[in-house]
Amino acid sequence: QKEVEQDPGPLSVPEGAIVSLNCTYSNSAFQYFMWYRQYSRKGPELLMYTYSSGNKEDGRFTAQVDKSSKYISLFIRDSQPSDSATYLCASKETSYDKVIFGPGTSLSVIP
Amino acid sequence: SQTIHQWPATLVQPVGSPLSLECTVEGTSNPNLYWYRQAAGRGLQLLFYSVGIGQISSEVPQNLSASRPQDRQFILSSKKLLLSDSGFYLCAWMRTGNNSPLHFGNGTRLTVT
Repeated sequence: QKEVEQDPGPLSVPEGAIVSLNCTYSNSAFQYFMWYRQYSRKGPELLMYTYSSGNKEDGRFTAQVDKSSKYISLFIRDSQPSDSATYLCASKETSYDKVIFGPGTSLSVIP
Repeated sequence: SQTIHQWPATLVQPVGSPLSLECTVEGTSNPNLYWYRQAAGRGLQLLFYSVGIGQISSEVPQNLSASRPQDRQFILSSKKLLLSDSGFYLCAWMRTGNNSPLHFGNGTRLTVT
């Protein structure tokens, strides 16, 4: 079983829709959770960084962590064509230097 | 502010040739440094990471090696490339300590022919 699982998609939504991206993880020691956006042929760009359970909002993006169910979500409100990219979730333990990534979900926002 | 530089951006190399990819970080000291590989349409595979000069941890046994000759310099090498070494190589850094995310460079696209 992979430590971080993510539906690869592709996911296609109309412009203005609310997008929900999800990951599950198996390691109960994970405490830090990240979402990255990766455009084609570019390095991943950090979108959200959260610690433990709860919600974090930044503009149109909301990250949600439910440690009881080992579930990580990223919500994108008022989606734009420029949001079309691959979204990667990632997790790490507190006293561990390695970050574990999911395989990524490909998102297309159609004008 | 911190920046990470990775070069070259693209590289085409024949099978059996050597490889050297370089990554440098500016604006921070004693960072953790990482090399990831991303195959087409797949996730990020951690290859090596380093918590200090000369300290290298290998995650995947293969014909690649890594070195950290200076605090903010991380090098990925191979003596003889294989076709299976083709991919997108990403260098990343993290501030030492627990409360810090990973930051990536723009990657090197390697094609072994």
